Amino acid sequence: GQQVMQIPQYQHVQEGEDFTTYCNSSTTLSNIQWYKQRPGGHPVFLIQLVKSGEVKKQKRLTFQFGEAKKNSSLHITATQTTDVGTYFCADADKLIFGTGTRLQVFP
Amino acid sequence: DTGVSQDPRHKITKRGQNVTFRCDPISEHNRLYWYRQTLGQGPEFLTYFQNEAQLEKSRLLSDRFSAERPKGSFSTLEIQRTEQGDSAMYLCASSWLEPLVDEQFFGPGTRLTVL
Repeated sequence: GQQVMQIPQYQHVQEGEDFTTYCNSSTTLSNIQWYKQRPGGHPVFLIQLVKSGEVKKQKRLTFQFGEAKKNSSLHITATQTTDVGTYFCADADKLIFGTGTRLQVFP
Repeated sequence: DTGVSQDPRHKITKRGQNVTFRCDPISEHNRLYWYRQTLGQGPEFLTYFQNEAQLEKSRLLSDRFSAERPKGSFSTLEIQRTEQGDSAMYLCASSWLEPLVDEQFFGPGTRLTVL
């Protein structure tokens, strides 16, 4: 069956450093969503990407959808302690979530 | 309250017992989803409804699991003859099916512990 993998599994950064998580699907995606889950919380929707090569920005967050629509990335510029959590990508059509990347930010 | 609510928030049961969870979605949402999440993993899809119709059910869902959404409003998820492997967080989400974005709003979850 389809697999949606994310790397890295964990990332520890110093506050102010940049962070990137990569999402790779074994099959072509019609669209991809990103969610953030704070420790002890539930997933919260961040964004949906639909078009090949699409790039969207939300303040310090930049989301990219690969040209082949099989991968995506989330980049955070100048991390803050409020960015702590686990970031999941998800195949919105097949309702498959990625393995997640847990981000820890040290002040 | 305009969010997704779930009840109970925590459930401890003995192996072999039946449990039932309830989810109240955002009122105008027509889609409702159930997921299971274990520690360190992403949410795993179980089933979803559009209005009162159950449109898809994961192949991973054994016959011990059943879900209903009478009248297209709240939903219940029942697990019969619970096993220790059923211990997890059960998440409910709802969305309003749109042609462009299908944003899911998650509830706080029900944490199930099977002893």
